[in-house]
Amino acid sequence: GAGVSQSPRYKVAKRGQDVALRCDPISGHVSLFWYQQALGQGPEFLTYFQNEAQLDKSGLPSDRFFAERPEGSVSTLKIQRTQQEDSAVYLCASSLGGRGETQYFGPGTRLLVL
Amino acid sequence: KNEVEQSPQNLTAQEEEFITINCSYSVGISALHWLQQHPGGGIVSLFMLSSGKKKHGRLIATINIQEKHSSLHITASHPRDSAVYICAVRSTGNQFYFGTGTSLTVIP
Repeated sequence: GAGVSQSPRYKVAKRGQDVALRCDPISGHVSLFWYQQALGQGPEFLTYFQNEAQLDKSGLPSDRFFAERPEGSVSTLKIQRTQQEDSAVYLCASSLGGRGETQYFGPGTRLLVL
Repeated sequence: KNEVEQSPQNLTAQEEEFITINCSYSVGISALHWLQQHPGGGIVSLFMLSSGKKKHGRLIATINIQEKHSSLHITASHPRDSAVYICAVRSTGNQFYFGTGTSLTVIP
């Protein structure tokens, strides 16, 4: 079976541009997580969905960041008016049940804002 | 101060060496995860622990809840084990905290 997939794998954006990053979780997985990983750092939590409900968005760094999962499967992380400090790898993970279960990570989207 | 601290930050070992990576945390936790990240960014979940010890192949993970400490051991290390190993905890408040990782290089 397919794992978690993310697209695009690489994105170069001009400062001020809007970007949309897509995550396809493992089919049937209830929980979906977004993380931001800066170079040389561990991942940092951004937001968590259980089905279509966004239960935790405490990690989103600003109101330029927006995530949705309208049908409880595919999720999109949108960054408006990108800044250079948004350059990072954005990781998506899914788990079968609730928040405490093993998470399966996608390959990440490497975003570079120039 | 990071909620999760790992040591060492970098580790170089000869093939077949026994390797230990340590993780200390400062929050109350429900579970601790060990993750493996290969060059190119893909992350694989190795273990999820809430107590005791787990073993999978050449990998062993232990946790001491009282001391807020976990170790990841690799026996008979191999160059394909070269990766970044990340410790992550889920706090009792349901937040995830990640260490900055231990970069392991195993030399043939």
